[in-house]
Amino acid sequence: RKEVEQDPGPFNVPEGATVAFNCTYSNSASQSFFWYRQDCRKEPKLLMSVYSSGNEDGRFTAQLNRASQYISLLIRDSKLSDSATYLCVVINNDMRFGAGTRLTVKP
Amino acid sequence: GAGVSQSPSNKVTEKGKDVELRCDPISGHTALYWYRQRLGQGLEFLIYFQGNSAPDKSGLPSDRFSAERTGESVSTLTIQRTQQEDSAVYLCASSLSQGYTEAFFGQGTRLTVV
Repeated sequence: RKEVEQDPGPFNVPEGATVAFNCTYSNSASQSFFWYRQDCRKEPKLLMSVYSSGNEDGRFTAQLNRASQYISLLIRDSKLSDSATYLCVVINNDMRFGAGTRLTVKP
Repeated sequence: GAGVSQSPSNKVTEKGKDVELRCDPISGHTALYWYRQRLGQGLEFLIYFQGNSAPDKSGLPSDRFSAERTGESVSTLTIQRTQQEDSAVYLCASSLSQGYTEAFFGQGTRLTVV
């Protein structure tokens, strides 16, 4: 079983749609969690941290459920510029990435 | 430099040759990670350095792969006797400390084994 499992998609949504991604992790001792964004042929960049209490940054909301060992990312009012691959990251001493979920927002 | 620097940016090598990839982390970052990303795939963890502790080598796919880091500075990833399946982008990232802070990535080294 992979340490971090993520639905690879692809998700194809119209502008303005709300889209949600989930990610599950296997190690209950994992310490911290992030979402990264990777554009085509570019390096990953931090999108946001994920806290148990949930956190919001504009149109983006991240949530952590430790009991069920999953994290989620919600994007509201999708923009064309949101098209990218979204990677969940789980930290337990080292830093492990999910396979990434590809999102395409269409006009 | 201001960011993580990797060199070379592109490397084409013949099957069976050894290659050395370099990563220059952000100054002061104690944690350094190496990943492999095949075309259309996710990031595969290779190795992680934290300060002067013994590195976590659990992700290295075979004994042809090795990595070193001098203190909290430059790291090199060496692939011996390269195979075609080694073709990928090799990404390096660094962070201020282990796990709790943002990791910054270099632009990667695109390795092609012919």
